[in-house]
Amino acid sequence: DAKTTQPPSMDCAEGRAANLPCNHSTISGNEYVYWYRQIHSQGPQYIIHGLKNNETNEMASLIITEDRKSSTLILPHATLRDTAVYYCIVSSFGGTSYGKLTFGQGTILTVHP
Amino acid sequence: GAVVSQHPSRVICKSGTSVKIECRSLDFQATTMFWYRQFPKQSLMLMATSNEGSKATYEQGVEKDKFLINHASLTLSTLTVTSAHPEDSSFYICSATGTSGGTLSTDTQYFGPGTRLTVL
Repeated sequence: DAKTTQPPSMDCAEGRAANLPCNHSTISGNEYVYWYRQIHSQGPQYIIHGLKNNETNEMASLIITEDRKSSTLILPHATLRDTAVYYCIVSSFGGTSYGKLTFGQGTILTVHP
Repeated sequence: GAVVSQHPSRVICKSGTSVKIECRSLDFQATTMFWYRQFPKQSLMLMATSNEGSKATYEQGVEKDKFLINHASLTLSTLTVTSAHPEDSSFYICSATGTSGGTLSTDTQYFGPGTRLTVL
């Protein structure tokens, strides 16, 4: 699976949009971009995923560049409860790595009052 | 939808004993389940992948005789840590992918809340 690069930490003011970047320059055509977050001492929570089109759900928006080499997760109105480690992961459903998620170090997002 | 539970949430045991952790999909059929381990201040590491009714596939470096995985039904997988030692103390997390009457995305893993294992 392709490797991702994320900033180790980011800050955001409560009520503002949080834009979390991710680079995945070696992504291949059948690999999806997934975003999960993990609040301290809990299991990861699924946020959103996409292949090449931008996606939006009740939690966030995912913007994928046209060349698919990077993406941005957008939390439109961050709250204190959004403070967590955010993981950007690319994963495919072919071959021996079917559905496997390889977690990196992620981005620690801290939302300030 | 897509709720995964784990039991127990926390367990403390003596060195040399075995510990069983259960992972259940509550509202969908989990065709594939994954087990991860997370040490303090580190990221999640995949231990093994199991499909219902089949033997688990272990990642390199994970001892299959020490970490026994059983995925006997579409809603239950168990991880047994045999002869646990202090170095096995960790946060164990399961995840599952599956179907729920066609409304669930089969290409998304949903995670349980984790089990904190402490071996004294």
